[in-house]
Amino acid sequence: DQQVKQNSPSLSVQEGRISILNCDYTNSMFDYFLWYKKYPAEGPTFLISISSIKDKNEDGRFTVFLNKSAKHLSLHIVPSQPGDSAVYFCAARGTGKLIFGQGTTLQVKP
Amino acid sequence: NAGVTQTPKFQVLKTGQSMTLQCAQDMNHEYMSWYRQDPGMGLRLIHYSVGAGITDQGEVPNGYNVSRSTTEDFPLRLLSAAPSQTSVYFCASSRTGRKNTEAFFGQGTRLTVV
Repeated sequence: DQQVKQNSPSLSVQEGRISILNCDYTNSMFDYFLWYKKYPAEGPTFLISISSIKDKNEDGRFTVFLNKSAKHLSLHIVPSQPGDSAVYFCAARGTGKLIFGQGTTLQVKP
Repeated sequence: NAGVTQTPKFQVLKTGQSMTLQCAQDMNHEYMSWYRQDPGMGLRLIHYSVGAGITDQGEVPNGYNVSRSTTEDFPLRLLSAAPSQTSVYFCASSRTGRKNTEAFFGQGTRLTVV
């Protein structure tokens, strides 16, 4: 049973526009949520995180929103750049474990 | 700074063979974990450890063993490799605690079982 789900396998946006990546979770005990970015042949790298007691966290072009009632989080990238093209994983922490979603491949077209 | 180091980067095994994937970190992190990445499945947790001498199972532990004799090292053992274990394996480490949850990943080991 997948506790963290990313239902969109891929997303394509034009350079300069907004990219919105979505993630749903089922376990209300998760207390921390993170987004990771992964390029081919490399390990995932941390991007941004949010505590369950907040509903928004911003870091430059990246903003993560958390809707606890809907068990939903999203990552907004504004403006999108070609270098943002990568696989994005959302992750949730609970009982010491970090559980990842399936990933969404973002393509930003010049 | 080395961070998290995984060896080997690539490996081909025959069905039934055994091997150990090595993982070492130099950040004095308490928490270490192993994931496998498969197409459409994302990163799935195999085993994890919250400190030396303590290990626990993740989402997909069958066919894998781990041990944590030191803070720095967290090897993953395949006792009898199967084609279903063909995957890319990632080791990660992080501090425990509510704030320091960011996990640092190694470069990965691409394993093929034929």
